[in-house]
Amino acid sequence: DSGVTQTPKHLITATGQRVTLRCSPRSGDLSVYWYQQSLDQGLQFLIQYYNGEERAKGNILERFSAQQFPDLHSELNLSSLELGDSALYFCASSGVMGANVLTFGAGSRLTVL
Amino acid sequence: AQKVTQAQTEISVVEKEDVTLDCVYETRDTTYYLFWYKQPPSGELVFLIRRNSFDEQNEISGRYSWNFQKSTSSFNFTITASQVVDSAVYFCALSDIAGGTSYGKLTFGQGTILTVHP
Repeated sequence: DSGVTQTPKHLITATGQRVTLRCSPRSGDLSVYWYQQSLDQGLQFLIQYYNGEERAKGNILERFSAQQFPDLHSELNLSSLELGDSALYFCASSGVMGANVLTFGAGSRLTVL
Repeated sequence: AQKVTQAQTEISVVEKEDVTLDCVYETRDTTYYLFWYKQPPSGELVFLIRRNSFDEQNEISGRYSWNFQKSTSSFNFTITASQVVDSAVYFCALSDIAGGTSYGKLTFGQGTILTVHP
């Protein structure tokens, strides 16, 4: 157990729908990162939050949004889902800003039918 | 833009063979970190090593060793006496440490699927 908790583990939904993926970071970690792993794009950085504030953005679609709450858990919202959004979504956390060893959660596998 | 290339898509070896996974990177930054992560069949990503761009010392950890050569922009990973449990996808990754705001923004290679047969 890495200490990073992601729910749900698996999610099957239809095109056009909206889903929310949840992440609880390791105890004490202030930074949360979201990554997408797909067959065609590989592992891609989506977005980073540090102590509730957005700190870095990657290849995140406009249909996707995220936030980090005061208790430091984070949610990734995916809307108007398309078949191509099917992927494994990882959350990772790390401690202080200078320590960029990420601890990854087990991932949430999203299947869009 | 940063880029990480793992030229070997798949490697298949027999148990006890040594195997080297290649990683070549591109970056304009003078300071950066390099990483290797392992993704076993269960799917999670497991951190193996982080190397600072200023530290070109090779590292050995048990059956694992890493060879960092800045001159060739390579950070290769060798597993000695491979075991079936080493079967996984291995990712090389790069992050810049300049600016202080993009820590954890890793650029991953495409991964190398390692299969170790008994």
